[in-house]
Amino acid sequence: AQSVSQHNHHVILSEAASLELGCNYSYGGTVNLFWYVQYPGQHLQLLLKYFSGDPLVKGIKGFEAEFIKSKFSFNLRKPSVQWSDTAEYFCGQTGGGNKLTFGTGTQLKVEL
Amino acid sequence: NAGVTQTPKFQVLKTGQSMTLQCAQDMNHNSMYWYRQDPGMGLRLIYYSASEGTTDKGEVPNGYNVSRLNKREFSLRLESAAPSQTSVYFCASKYDRVNQPQHFGDGTRLSIL
Repeated sequence: AQSVSQHNHHVILSEAASLELGCNYSYGGTVNLFWYVQYPGQHLQLLLKYFSGDPLVKGIKGFEAEFIKSKFSFNLRKPSVQWSDTAEYFCGQTGGGNKLTFGTGTQLKVEL
Repeated sequence: NAGVTQTPKFQVLKTGQSMTLQCAQDMNHNSMYWYRQDPGMGLRLIYYSASEGTTDKGEVPNGYNVSRLNKREFSLRLESAAPSQTSVYFCASKYDRVNQPQHFGDGTRLSIL
């Protein structure tokens, strides 16, 4: 069965700090990888996605993620976080079908 | 452009009561999904529907039923609510291509006493 692991459950950063959130997936075939963000009280929104091509994917709001096939990883990065980035972040994958499997999420708190 | 619309936004039930959560999308998507979100557990798939007239179980289907009424609507029913079903429920839809993202509704916060 497919699974997605997010090892950082809670992350606290100061504004302007760099961010890296880990995501590892289990599916060994062709994967499609996603990062979603959920701001407090809101629904999930797509940050970025990878399905082929350049393994470095750029998304909205300055986020990027790198697909490293040899490590089964798709880590999310941002060079300088803002207070408004406070949210919960979910990594997800689809492998060979339309079902999206999510990780358990990472709560990011950015302090002023 | 409404996207995915869920009703109601909040609901409180007593144990044993029944309830139907409604979801509608206006993006002409074939695939629709119901998730529950619980602290520390992420989003878990309850049921999904690849097209009108078809439904399949997800990771946590017990205690739920679904109906894909037409292409636009996908409802989730709790026949006899239990406190363990207290959660936030999200509906989502997507195009059929695997590299397309899911679009989520605003969620229904359900409390069962």
